[in-house]
Amino acid sequence: EVQLVESGGGLVKPGGSLRLSCAASGFTFSSYNMNWVRQAPGKGLEWVSSISSGSSYIYYADSVKGRFTISRDNAKNSLYLQMNSLRAEDTAVYYCARARGGTMIVVVDWGQGTLVTVSS
Amino acid sequence: DIQMTQSPSILSASVGDRVTITCRASQSISSWLAWYQQKPGKAPNLLIYKASSLESGVPSRFSGSGSGTEFTLTISSLQPDDFATYYCQQYNSYSGITFGQGTRLEIK
Repeated sequence: EVQLVESGGGLVKPGGSLRLSCAASGFTFSSYNMNWVRQAPGKGLEWVSSISSGSSYIYYADSVKGRFTISRDNAKNSLYLQMNSLRAEDTAVYYCARARGGTMIVVVDWGQGTLVTVSS
Repeated sequence: DIQMTQSPSILSASVGDRVTITCRASQSISSWLAWYQQKPGKAPNLLIYKASSLESGVPSRFSGSGSGTEFTLTISSLQPDDFATYYCQQYNSYSGITFGQGTRLEIK
């Protein structure tokens, strides 16, 4: 069974930093492209970032480019999102998401999400 | 970025109804479109990818069609479990992946 477990969310002040982690199990992590997708409270889905299986290809939404960094450690079956210069509009549930084989961003498996709240 | 516009935003229907949700792209995305279902407090669930391919395990009452800029998700006979919010997602370009704003399917 595929499991994606996010951690690292919490309350942070504007301008602060957080690092989200996602522990993956139940599949060969190193073979799949991975993503972060977020959802502000009561709002729709927003793609944040994607990383290819071997980290060769990385993409970001314009809204986070230059502030967020996606990375992965295939030896530890883990995905990360380093978030710097956080803003109120970054407040959201952040989902770790596994892409369907052969695609970058068609998501077949999601974590339960971790809430990030940016507020003074 | 490519804008995705779903209609309607809210849809009221009854069990057994046939319903259609539309998603329009601001420019051609070929068939690079997916549909997801999301229930309150839960992560989304993939229904359709590449505009019309049914994800494994998804009931056959769900179907997708379209190409270019106009796409539809059809549920042939609504079941109680289908009342949820539906999102389209374009993945034509990795420089700007976007979701529609969502369609909430409510019980009439």
